[in-house]
Amino acid sequence: KAGVTQTPRYLIKTRGQQVTLSCSPISGHRSVSWYQQTPGQGLQFLFEYFSETQRNKGNFPGRFSGRQFSNSRSEMNVSTLELGDSALYLCASQASGGAGYNEQFFGPGTRLTVL
Amino acid sequence: SQKIEQNSEALNIQEGKTATLTCNYTNYSPAYLQWYRQDPGRGPVFLLLIRENEKEKRKERLKVTFDTTLKQSLFHITASQPADSATYLCALGGYQKVTFGIGTKLQVIP
Repeated sequence: KAGVTQTPRYLIKTRGQQVTLSCSPISGHRSVSWYQQTPGQGLQFLFEYFSETQRNKGNFPGRFSGRQFSNSRSEMNVSTLELGDSALYLCASQASGGAGYNEQFFGPGTRLTVL
Repeated sequence: SQKIEQNSEALNIQEGKTATLTCNYTNYSPAYLQWYRQDPGRGPVFLLLIRENEKEKRKERLKVTFDTTLKQSLFHITASQPADSATYLCALGGYQKVTFGIGTKLQVIP
């Protein structure tokens, strides 16, 4: 079974731009969660999607948004990029349940650098 | 506010010894707790999940304890090997939400 894939793996943007990251979960998994990881803050929960609906949301500004498609693939978008948005963005899929209720399978992440 | 504390300093141990990592939490009543391993440049990999009504869970050389009175989980790796060197994250959750600790870096010295 193929694992969670994320594209692109690396991205460099400038302040004020917007970016879209993509995540393909494990086949059959309907839940996709997104996390931001930085050295100082660790893994911070952004949001979770299940069957195309946002089921839970972390404490991030409205510039961070996401969506899920009928094939469970998910995208997250960050608008008006700030320097502080530089981070590793991880997505995780799981078969069902709430975010983290069962084993989560993480992708390799997208490294976003904002200049 | 909810807080998860893991020993942010690196833990160095000799090969063959038991490594013990600590996860403490406050202002939280999690339904379960998970431990993950993360290698540099990679996403976390799930290791173990323990629920609030369980005291201990084992998997091969790994053992996790969960004390909801002390609000603490201990993660043990017995007969540690250099390949166990990584950052270990604990994560606490209730339904639909999970919160990660910052992780503890473990270095197993040959």
